[in-house]
Amino acid sequence: DAMVIQNPRYQVTQFGKPVTLSCSQTLNHNVMYWYQQKSSQAPKLLFHYYDKDFNNEADTPDNFQSRRPNTSFCFLDIRSPGLGDAAMYLCATSRDHAAGGSYEQYFGPGTRLTVT
Amino acid sequence: AQSVAQPEDQVNVAEGNPLTVKCTYSVSGNPYLFWYVQYPNRGLQFLLKYITGDNLVKGSYGFEAEFNKSQTSFHLNKPSALVSDSALYFCAVRDFSGAGSYQLTFGKGTKLSVIP
Repeated sequence: DAMVIQNPRYQVTQFGKPVTLSCSQTLNHNVMYWYQQKSSQAPKLLFHYYDKDFNNEADTPDNFQSRRPNTSFCFLDIRSPGLGDAAMYLCATSRDHAAGGSYEQYFGPGTRLTVT
Repeated sequence: AQSVAQPEDQVNVAEGNPLTVKCTYSVSGNPYLFWYVQYPNRGLQFLLKYITGDNLVKGSYGFEAEFNKSQTSFHLNKPSALVSDSALYFCAVRDFSGAGSYQLTFGKGTKLSVIP
């Protein structure tokens, strides 16, 4: 089945130690998103890629970076994790309407990040 | 700026009874509206959407929602609740008026508990 895959599902890192979360998709969607979701809160968009074009949300801290080496893969890099960065990180994809998409986003299972 | 309000943090309903999860929205242009469900430690799962056309939309697992433009609402309904429907439900809006048109704004979520 076509899907959005996130690895690892659970990640523990130390305060200040860089960490990378990965996302892959078999849906061949041209848009990929990274969201941060803290406990009992709505997902918050960090950034998205429209094809190769990176779009950062205005309030996303510089500590968060992303890479999309090809259509299928997207990475979230946290350069110096703080305790406040502990959260669930959700990857999502969509196909732009111009490319024949139907607007909804498809989410991966998420990676729960713990910072010690 | 677009926004979504889910006025109830929690909804409790007896199994077999009808359920409603409320959502109101605010956008400057035409709204594209979505409902997602999230089970514990999982990603968001798409339920249904309103883009245009019939105000009553049907989605997965017997859920439906009604778009009401005058009341700016998009309430989620199901005629007969199941215990397995217990989860966190998010309403989301996407504004296609221009800038930020890829941003999906989520409500804070409503926890649905179906009591056997």
